[in-house]
Amino acid sequence: AQSVTQLDSQVPVFEEAPVELRCNYSSSVSVYLFWYVQYPNQGLQLLLKYLSGSTLVESINGFEAEFNKSQTSFHLRKPSVHISDTAEYFCAVRLNTGGFKTIFGAGTRLFVKA
Amino acid sequence: NAGVTQTPKFRVLKTGQSMTLLCAQDMNHEYMYWYRQDPGMGLRLIHYSVGEGTTAKGEVPDGYNVSRLKKQNFLLGLESAAPSQTSVYFCASSRTGASQETQYFGPGTRLLVL
Repeated sequence: AQSVTQLDSQVPVFEEAPVELRCNYSSSVSVYLFWYVQYPNQGLQLLLKYLSGSTLVESINGFEAEFNKSQTSFHLRKPSVHISDTAEYFCAVRLNTGGFKTIFGAGTRLFVKA
Repeated sequence: NAGVTQTPKFRVLKTGQSMTLLCAQDMNHEYMYWYRQDPGMGLRLIHYSVGEGTTAKGEVPDGYNVSRLKKQNFLLGLESAAPSQTSVYFCASSRTGASQETQYFGPGTRLLVL
């Protein structure tokens, strides 16, 4: 069975500081990895995903995540956060042959302070 | 192009009452999903549909029923609400059920069962 662990439930950070949101997964077979963002009172939006190829994937708003197979991690990073990045971030995995069934982590609430 | 919409946005029910949550998508997607989101937990799949006229059970289907009479709509019903069903409900859709496919989420329905 697959599982996803997001190591921090809340991450407070000052504006313009760097941030890392940690995600570890467990799976005996190959997986696809996703990060979703949920802004207050909104649904989840796909931020970025790793399917294959380069282990470093980037989003359009400056976030990046690196797939580390040996450490079974997919940490999300941003070098300089903005107030508008305040949101909840969910890491998720799917078996690469398992269709749409998705295992979500419990979420990390990022709070950016001025 | 509205994407995925959900009605209502918020509802309060008394134990034993019934209600239907409506999800609509205008992207001509085949697959639709209902998830629930509870504090400290990731999203969990309640039911899903792989096309018009089809439904199937997800991870936590007990106490819920669904219908997909039209391709664009996916209804979630609670026949006799219980306090344990207090949650935020998200509908999502995807073009196919492939592992790499992006799921698009609605804004959610907050349900409080007293």
